[in-house]
Amino acid sequence: DVKVTQSSRYLVKRTGEKVFLECVQDMDHENMFWYRQDPGLGLRLIYFSYDVKMKEKGDIPEGYSVSREKKERFSLILESASTNQTSMYLCASSFPFGQGSNQPQHFGDGTRLSIL
Amino acid sequence: GDSVTQMEGPVTLSEEAFLTINCTYTATGYPSLFWYVQYPGEGLQLLLKATKADDKGSNKGFEATYRKETTSFHLEKGSVQVSDSAVYFCALGADYKLSFGAGTTVTVRA
Repeated sequence: DVKVTQSSRYLVKRTGEKVFLECVQDMDHENMFWYRQDPGLGLRLIYFSYDVKMKEKGDIPEGYSVSREKKERFSLILESASTNQTSMYLCASSFPFGQGSNQPQHFGDGTRLSIL
Repeated sequence: GDSVTQMEGPVTLSEEAFLTINCTYTATGYPSLFWYVQYPGEGLQLLLKATKADDKGSNKGFEATYRKETTSFHLEKGSVQVSDSAVYFCALGADYKLSFGAGTTVTVRA
């Protein structure tokens, strides 16, 4: 089974702090994704990466950056945390696009981040 | 752009009742369609998928049929159990991106 592991289940940080969320997958997937989940809004894509050191903006990249130095690891960075970034953050991974139909994404258990 | 609309919840049912969650989509091209489930305190798990028109995805007693003529992918289960209590998300896959519906919370009472 695919395992996507997020480093923290719960995290509390203060406004203005730099926050790192870590994600590791063990299935040698090329693609990795960061989403945030908010009630009534479903999941919204923040950033994704299709290869080491490659990244693409999703729908809501403002206030976030990402890092992918190794294939199995994808980090989300909040440069200067703000209260409106309080949310559930979900990491996902998948095989690359173009292998037949769209590949399903495999999700971690999420990090619930509170910014005070 | 691509989007998904699913019925709003919450939905509360008794055990052994029939469940249906409506999902419609807007897309250019030929997307794949997915249903994901999120149990309390967990991430999303793929429940089923369909990759082309008239495909039926099925898993754990759940079914959904990709209907191009009505742009729909409704989720159904004939007899729900308490363990089916979860949030269900319809999603559309086009190119690299998954577009999610807002989610439907389902509670099954014994």
